[in-house]
Amino acid sequence: AQTVTQSQPEMSVQEAETVTLSCTYDTSESDYYLFWYKQPPSRQMILVIRQEAYKQQNATENRFSVNFQKAAKSFSLKISDSQLGDAAMYFCAYRSAYGGDTPLVFGKGTRLSVIA
Amino acid sequence: DTGVSQNPRHKITKRGQNVTFRCDPISEHNRLYWYRQTLGQGPEFLTYFQNEAQLEKSRLLSDRFSAERPKGSFSTLEIQRTEQGDSAMYLCASSDGTASGNTIYFGEGSWLTVV
Repeated sequence: AQTVTQSQPEMSVQEAETVTLSCTYDTSESDYYLFWYKQPPSRQMILVIRQEAYKQQNATENRFSVNFQKAAKSFSLKISDSQLGDAAMYFCAYRSAYGGDTPLVFGKGTRLSVIA
Repeated sequence: DTGVSQNPRHKITKRGQNVTFRCDPISEHNRLYWYRQTLGQGPEFLTYFQNEAQLEKSRLLSDRFSAERPKGSFSTLEIQRTEQGDSAMYLCASSDGTASGNTIYFGEGSWLTVV
């Protein structure tokens, strides 16, 4: 079974600075998808960024980018120019590309605080 | 597009009572998922539907849990004879296809507290 590990329960960053959240995963599959989700307090979880394992190029979405290291099974999220609205729980998630429709496997999350 | 809607948002119940949560997915999304999230943990998969068919159930879904999706629209998750260990947030999500890369959209969740 696949597992996702987020080793940083909490992180903090100064407004306008850059922060990197870590994620590692364990799988024997070669094709899969990785996701970062953001869950603000009492708000719904929203997708931040997605990476296809077969793509070498790291995904970027505005201020959010990932560092995907397939061999190391590492998938970190970099948030540039941090804003107060970035404060939230961030979950890394894995989804197999096999079997048509497999459930997301989540890590335990990293709580990000943004300091004004 | 009104997003995934869940009701009630909060429920406090006494141990042994039954509770039911409702989820309205994004219209025309044929896939609907239920997850459970406890404090300090990431969401854990419970079950999912393609239209009205329940295709997979996690071992986390004990006999006291039942989910339905009549007519392939909204879904209900019922917990019978609630236990304190059932206290958690129950998340519903939906997507519009079978591709593993498709975005899964989540609702705001339904908090259950069993006292």
